[in-house]
Amino acid sequence: KAGVTQTPRYLIKTRGQQVTLSCSPISGHRSVSWYQQTPGQGLQFLFEYFSETQRNKGNFPGRFSGRQFSNSRSEMNVSTLELGDSALYLCASSTGDGLAGGETQYFGPGTRLLVL
Amino acid sequence: QKEVEQNSGPLSVPEGAIASLNCTYSDRVSQSFFWYRQYSGKSPELIMSIYSNGDKEDGRFTAQLNKASQYVSLLIRDSQPSDSATYLCASFDRGSTLGRLYFGRGTQLTVWP
Repeated sequence: KAGVTQTPRYLIKTRGQQVTLSCSPISGHRSVSWYQQTPGQGLQFLFEYFSETQRNKGNFPGRFSGRQFSNSRSEMNVSTLELGDSALYLCASSTGDGLAGGETQYFGPGTRLLVL
Repeated sequence: QKEVEQNSGPLSVPEGAIASLNCTYSDRVSQSFFWYRQYSGKSPELIMSIYSNGDKEDGRFTAQLNKASQYVSLLIRDSQPSDSATYLCASFDRGSTLGRLYFGRGTQLTVWP
């Protein structure tokens, strides 16, 4: 079974721009979560989508948003980029009831975003 | 603010030794715990999960959980250079927010031949 895939793998943007990242979960997984990883803050939870609905959200500003499609693929959008948004953005999918069920998170390779 | 604390390291051990990685958490209602391994430039991969007090063994890896002390550890026996990576501890809390994982910042482990 194919793993979680993320596109693009690398992005360079400038301040003020917006960016959209894509994630395709493992087949059959309905839960998709997004995380931001930086050297200073570590791995931080952004949000979880389950059956096209945002079910849970971390402590990030409204510039960070996402959505999930009927095929469980998910996109994450960051508007008005800031230098501090430079990070590795990881997507994770899980089976069953996702985070609500404490299911294991399977991570994708990540998208490395650099904001100049 | 729920927190998961890990020694950032680096932790350096010789090949064949036991590597001991430690993690403490602040929230007593945390229900389960996960250890992820992350190689440089790669994404985290699950090594072990543990839900009950005591030890759980899987091959060379043993996870230990003590909920009274809010402490979880990972022991790696017969450490190999291929074990060199950053190890992330995560706690799961269902709480009122439908569940989420809280990650520590990771401990960097180097196993030298």
